Amino acid sequence: SQQGEEDPQALSIQEGENATMNCSYKTSINNLQWYRQNSGRGLVHLILIRSNEREKHSGRLRVTLDTSKKSSSLLITASRAADTASYFCATRTLIYNQGGKLIFGQGTELSVKP
Amino acid sequence: GAVVSQHPSWVICKSGTSVKIECRSLDFQATTMFWYRQFPKQSLMLMATSNEGSKATYEQGVEKDKFLINHASLTLSTLTVTSAHPEDSSFYICSARNKDHTTSGGYEQYFGPGTRLTVT
Repeated sequence: SQQGEEDPQALSIQEGENATMNCSYKTSINNLQWYRQNSGRGLVHLILIRSNEREKHSGRLRVTLDTSKKSSSLLITASRAADTASYFCATRTLIYNQGGKLIFGQGTELSVKP
Repeated sequence: GAVVSQHPSWVICKSGTSVKIECRSLDFQATTMFWYRQFPKQSLMLMATSNEGSKATYEQGVEKDKFLINHASLTLSTLTVTSAHPEDSSFYICSARNKDHTTSGGYEQYFGPGTRLTVT
């Protein structure tokens, strides 16, 4: 089952620009996480934001969470060509019969041109 | 840090044969492991949740008899794709939950590097 939707599905920017990706979800959550995946590779955990947090920073990453709108955004500042990858949000659900599973959004494919 | 390995990293098999994929937590005990499938250019779809010593819980639409999951120990879960067909070709990713490490009320979850299955 899919939890959320992400937009845009694809984003192409120039090196140095900022990239913003959005994620919406449907159910109550315990936390929301962002992952990066290079083509054909495994997942890299980027950042986790708890349901009682509104904003979190990690290096060039800034994540916001609005539980009233059931949405989150990931901002990558001063992007680099190496940031080119697919980015996924994942929510840990609170629904009892889903046992706190991690459910992924559709993903945003980011391309950063040198 | 917590490491999850998968073996093999890639496999090619003929239609009709069965393929077994292993998922191991290398430096922690995982009471729960998850299996995901990812088609090209798509997101990860949760297939099943496996708890050590008990039967796996499958997501809606996932065939239990086709995707056999065994979680025999706290560090090993296996996914067997039985009678594989070309449409089973996909990237299979496992994830292990560290029972001793919690964050924000939930258990920390670590992902393996994935196994690419190609069925010819």
